[in-house]
Order: sequence, then structure tokens, then C-alpha cells
Amino acid sequence: SQTIHQWPATLVQPVGSPLSLECTVEGTSNPNLYWYRQAAGRGLQLLFYSVGIGQISSEVPQNLSASRPQDRQFILSSKKLLLSDSGFYLCAWSGKGLAKNIQYFGAGTRLSVL
Amino acid sequence: AQTVTQSQPEMSVQEAETVTLSCTYDTSESDYYLFWYKQPPSRQMILVIRQEAYKQQNATENRFSVNFQKAAKSFSLKISDSQLGDAAMYFCAYRSPGGTSYGKLTFGQGTILTVHP
Repeated sequence: SQTIHQWPATLVQPVGSPLSLECTVEGTSNPNLYWYRQAAGRGLQLLFYSVGIGQISSEVPQNLSASRPQDRQFILSSKKLLLSDSGFYLCAWSGKGLAKNIQYFGAGTRLSVL
Repeated sequence: AQTVTQSQPEMSVQEAETVTLSCTYDTSESDYYLFWYKQPPSRQMILVIRQEAYKQQNATENRFSVNFQKAAKSFSLKISDSQLGDAAMYFCAYRSPGGTSYGKLTFGQGTILTVHP
């Protein structure tokens, strides 16, 4: 069966520090991968998605970037964190073709920028 | 752009009773997918139920069912025989159909469901 892992679960970082959140998927190949952010008490906003290695599309301009160095690995990064980067970050995956219709989410990372 | 609206920020229900969560959406597309996700206190998003717009029959998953009104662009979730474990934030989500190779989800703002014993 497929599983998705995210780490760390919780992160507290000072303003101006770098960020690296990692997401990996097991049990499937060539998935679509997604990074979402959830502000407190609100819905999810898509940040990045990837349909293959090295292929990244951004949905909103921001202080963050994403990379996909391996088929089942998706990384969210920042060179210098801002206070507004605080939030809950969720990684998700889906299959291709008709299977892209359902996204499965990881457990998320709670990021606090102080 | 598609938008999803959940007009009920909070709802409550007594254990074993039935509750309905509302969702409306705006789209010009004729084929699409709709989802309800549950986010418990652990904050992991869990798929509850999905509906394909081309299907007239309402989806059902055990105690969860939807009332899909395509013309009205309405997609409500009914939870029957509510259990304490149903307490969570519920999100309605919309996915555009094919033509793109990814499946962007557009989420509503969520409804917090409280279940009273």
C-alpha cells in the first residue's frame, strides 16, 4: 500500500533562517506531488505541484521554493523565512490519469516563525 | 477561477443524530470532481467521500452521504448516526477535470463540527 511521510512534524525557526521540509511517498511510482499551506483556522492553499522529477509549477508567488530531486521526494525550501511563512504545511500525492482524481495527504508540518 | 464556499463556520450535533454540512461552488465547467475531507485534531486530511459531476447518483460511504445538486452548484454532506470520532473540521473541495496533468484542489474555508455526547 502507498504511504506518505512528512518531516519534521513541528518546527520553530527564527526569522531570516533557511527552511527545508521533506516529503516522501512509498508504494507508488511517478506520482503527482503537491505542497499546500493552511493558515490558522482556514482552508488549504496550493503552493506547488510536480508531475515528475525536476518539474515544478508554482501557484502563488512567495518566499518559498520547491524541488523534486527524486521520483518520490518533494522538498519545500526557503532561503530566508518571514513571519508570514508560519502555518501548517501539507504534502499530498496522487496517481496519474484517472487516479489523479484523489489526493492523499501526509500528517503535515507545523511551522512557527518567530 | 473556481471558488468553494462553506457558509457554516461551526456546527454541532448530538451523538447518534444526523447533521448536514453545506457547500456551494462556482464553476463554468460541466465535468469536475467534488470531495469532502475531514481534518481531526491531528490535522491530517482524510478523504471522506467524493462525487463525480457526471454521475447523477449521490455518493454514499457508510454513514456519510452527499446531496449533489449540479444545477444549484450545491454539494452538502450528511453524517448519520454521528459519533464522537466525527468531531473535526470538514472541508469541501473542487477539482477541475482533465486537460491538465495535475489535479489542483480548491478548498472551502471549512466547517468545525462538534459532537456532543
